[in-house]
Amino acid sequence: DQQVKQNSPSLSVQEGRISILNCDYTNSMFDYFLWYKKYPAEGPTFLISISSIKDKNEDGRFTVFLNKSAKHLSLHIVPSQPGDSAVYFCAVRFINTDKLIFGTGTRLQVFP
Amino acid sequence: DAGVIQSPRHEVTEMGQEVTLRCKPISGHDYLFWYRQTMMRGLELLIYFNNNVPIDDSGMPEDRFSAKMPNASFSTLKIQPSEPRDSAVYFCASSLTTSPGTDTQYFGPGTRLTVL
Repeated sequence: DQQVKQNSPSLSVQEGRISILNCDYTNSMFDYFLWYKKYPAEGPTFLISISSIKDKNEDGRFTVFLNKSAKHLSLHIVPSQPGDSAVYFCAVRFINTDKLIFGTGTRLQVFP
Repeated sequence: DAGVIQSPRHEVTEMGQEVTLRCKPISGHDYLFWYRQTMMRGLELLIYFNNNVPIDDSGMPEDRFSAKMPNASFSTLKIQPSEPRDSAVYFCASSLTTSPGTDTQYFGPGTRLTVL
């Protein structure tokens, strides 16, 4: 059973607009939430993370929001750029472990 | 730094054959992870090691899968015998635990396995 769900397999956004990627989780035993980005023929690379004690974390154009009551995580990219086109995976970390559980990924395409 | 190195990058084999995937983690990293990526299930954690010791292998699908880490710079994932449903991209990742939230995992480029 999937503990981490990314219900949108793909998303298409115009350059300069906001991209919003969503992730839902089912377990409360997680202490960190992360986003990874993956280009074709490469391994995923870490993008941004947030602790369970926070509800927002920003890093340049990327902002992650955490809604613990709804068990919902989102990544906002603004403004979106063509180089952001990739597959985005959300991941959750079990409390006091190094074990990450990943979602199925959302393919983002940013067009001019 | 060369990053995480995986070999081979592509492997095509026939059902029933033994397959061995190899990984060299980033020097100094004390954690090593093996993942499998499929369209249906995304990235699944198979097993991970800390200081060469297996910590959690609950994600290993069957007894046909085994993983070893004989030293800090090398790990293998073996499938014997292989089946067509094992076809996937297999990733190795390593990390250095410093403090919570900062121990991001660094992934290798993956091995694309096709079992005919």
